[in-house]
Amino acid sequence: AQSVTQLDSHVSVSEGTPVLLRCNYSSSYSPSLFWYVQHPNKGLQLLLKYTSAATLVKGINGFEAEFKKSETSFHLTKPSAHMSDAAEYFCVVSDPGKAAGNKLTFGGGTRVLVKP
Amino acid sequence: NAGVTQTPKFQVLKTGQSMTLQCAQDMNHEYMSWYRQDPGMGLRLIHYSVGAGITDQGEVPNGYNVSRSTTEDFPLRLLSAAPSQTSVYFCASTRARGPGEQYFGPGTRLTVT
Repeated sequence: AQSVTQLDSHVSVSEGTPVLLRCNYSSSYSPSLFWYVQHPNKGLQLLLKYTSAATLVKGINGFEAEFKKSETSFHLTKPSAHMSDAAEYFCVVSDPGKAAGNKLTFGGGTRVLVKP
Repeated sequence: NAGVTQTPKFQVLKTGQSMTLQCAQDMNHEYMSWYRQDPGMGLRLIHYSVGAGITDQGEVPNGYNVSRSTTEDFPLRLLSAAPSQTSVYFCASTRARGPGEQYFGPGTRLTVT
């Protein structure tokens, strides 16, 4: 069985300062990992994904994440927060089984508040 | 392309009523799925389909039925609505069986009174 834990339910940052969203996962297999963003009253959009290539993954809008197998972590960072980054962020692991390769397990989400 | 579309956007039901949430995609994706989103719990998989005529249960399937008669459509049926089914429902699709990007619809906000 796989699981995802997002260590902070809320993060508050000032505009222009770094953002760190923490995610730990548990998986019996070599996982595929994703970060999705959800702006208020919207659907989910993919920020970035890790699928066993480079451990440092760059995504859209200046976000990046580092896969650390030894720590079972996949933390999301951005050097400088923008007001438009205010949203909820989900860390997600994909079940690598055959036909179930697209079954996603979501973390509980981290809501990001950006202060001017 | 319209991507993944869902109707309705909002719905209020009384306990015991039934209804169907519609989901359609125009990207010729094989894999489609339904999730529900509840505060603090992320999204949880209800049912999924790997192609027309093939469906399977996810993590929280009780109280929901699905069918997949075409590649494009994947409706979710609530047989007898209960207050515990108050949630936001998202449909998603992807082309690959591997861990590719899933494309999400805008969601349906359902309230059961």
